[in-house]
Amino acid sequence: GAGVSQTPSNKVTEKGKYVELRCDPISGHTALYWYRQSLGQGPEFLIYFQGTGAADDSGLPNDRFFAVRPEGSVSTLKIQRTERGDSAVYLCASSLLAGGGGGYTFGSGTRLTVV
Amino acid sequence: AQSVSQHNHHVILSEAASLELGCNYSYGGTVNLFWYVQYPGQHLQLLLKYFSGDPLVKGIKGFEAEFIKSKFSFNLRKPSVQWSDTAEYFCAVLIKAAGNKLTFGGGTRVLVKP
Repeated sequence: GAGVSQTPSNKVTEKGKYVELRCDPISGHTALYWYRQSLGQGPEFLIYFQGTGAADDSGLPNDRFFAVRPEGSVSTLKIQRTERGDSAVYLCASSLLAGGGGGYTFGSGTRLTVV
Repeated sequence: AQSVSQHNHHVILSEAASLELGCNYSYGGTVNLFWYVQYPGQHLQLLLKYFSGDPLVKGIKGFEAEFIKSKFSFNLRKPSVQWSDTAEYFCAVLIKAAGNKLTFGGGTRVLVKP
């Protein structure tokens, strides 16, 4: 596609529920990144894929968070047993090559609200 | 761990005023530097980037940034702002030796009064 697409744009869920957030990167971009942006803060790195494999998952806050990219294109961020502190905007970005030599292209994000 | 600091959280100025946003990073080696902008209701967009060469980088919409290695700084400037520059601005650093991922500063929210 022309840009990075994230769905849903908004998600409200109850505490303790499971959620999946989807990212559809730019076609041909091999690198895909997930970030989380809390109110009043900059984006915080979660995980980065190069192809199908997670090259760096050091930013995942705990084992409730998991992400996959099984075919090297679409990625899904999965959050189990959601907590109110998980409320944030989850951003996805892609780049043609690892490191984003030309800069990342970001999606519009998914605003997750845990009530 | 490396970090990125943006000194001003909020800036309010009038149209035609000059803008300078500070950004400092903490890493002694080779870095790639970026400024991103997020207009109200829109996604993050790349404003400009520095990889190597001329430390004065020109970006879109009249913005420029200067890399001063000795000061670990990459400040963003615009000589004369417009109301449409109202946005949040993020400085970011990419350190290949620390993994190919951007580390962002906390952002500076800029309000330009017409």
